[in-house]
Amino acid sequence: QKEVEQNSGPLSVPEGAIASLNCTYSDRGSQSFFWYRQYSGKSPELIMFIYSNGDKEDGRFTAQLNKASQYVSLLIRDSQPSDSATYLCAALSNSGYALNFGKGTSLLVTP
Amino acid sequence: KAGVTQTPRYLIKTRGQQVTLSCSPISGHRSVSWYQQTPGQGLQFLFEYFSETQRNKGNFPGRFSGRQFSNSRSEMNVSTLELGDSALYLCASSFRGGRTDTQYFGPGTRLTVL
Repeated sequence: QKEVEQNSGPLSVPEGAIASLNCTYSDRGSQSFFWYRQYSGKSPELIMFIYSNGDKEDGRFTAQLNKASQYVSLLIRDSQPSDSATYLCAALSNSGYALNFGKGTSLLVTP
Repeated sequence: KAGVTQTPRYLIKTRGQQVTLSCSPISGHRSVSWYQQTPGQGLQFLFEYFSETQRNKGNFPGRFSGRQFSNSRSEMNVSTLELGDSALYLCASSFRGGRTDTQYFGPGTRLTVL
């Protein structure tokens, strides 16, 4: 079973702080990684994807990938209460067609 | 550009019945994937279709099936419903599937089995 592991949280950070979300994966064949945000009662919304080792920045979000350590992270700078949601980490299977999801980390940004 | 649409949004069925869910992908997208989301198991991959062909299937019983039409629209069917099939069923579309492609999710169909 190819697994993606996330700390379920909740992770609580004050408004304006940096939120750090982490994810590990077991399938060394996975090449592509995705972060989705899911608000309660809604469907997952794509935040970022990353394919290469290192950092990738998009606005307040930075994704980090370390394939040697099989580790993916998402940093959210200047966290806002509207960022409060569940963050899902996903690894694309080696076949290239199936996303293997972690169970998500619940983030709470307090005003 | 319109997003992924799914119908119906909510369904209530009883054990033993069957159900068909529908998904229309983003215009131009030819790959459609289906996922089941439950509180206990999280999001789990069901199957993926491209050009009317199933390319990958998750670890679900044969009661779960799907198909894709020539216009890329997809349906999934669950026969002989069980209580444990109660879940949010999500459809996602992408251009072709693959390592550099991204999947965009529809709003989901909430299925309740009584």
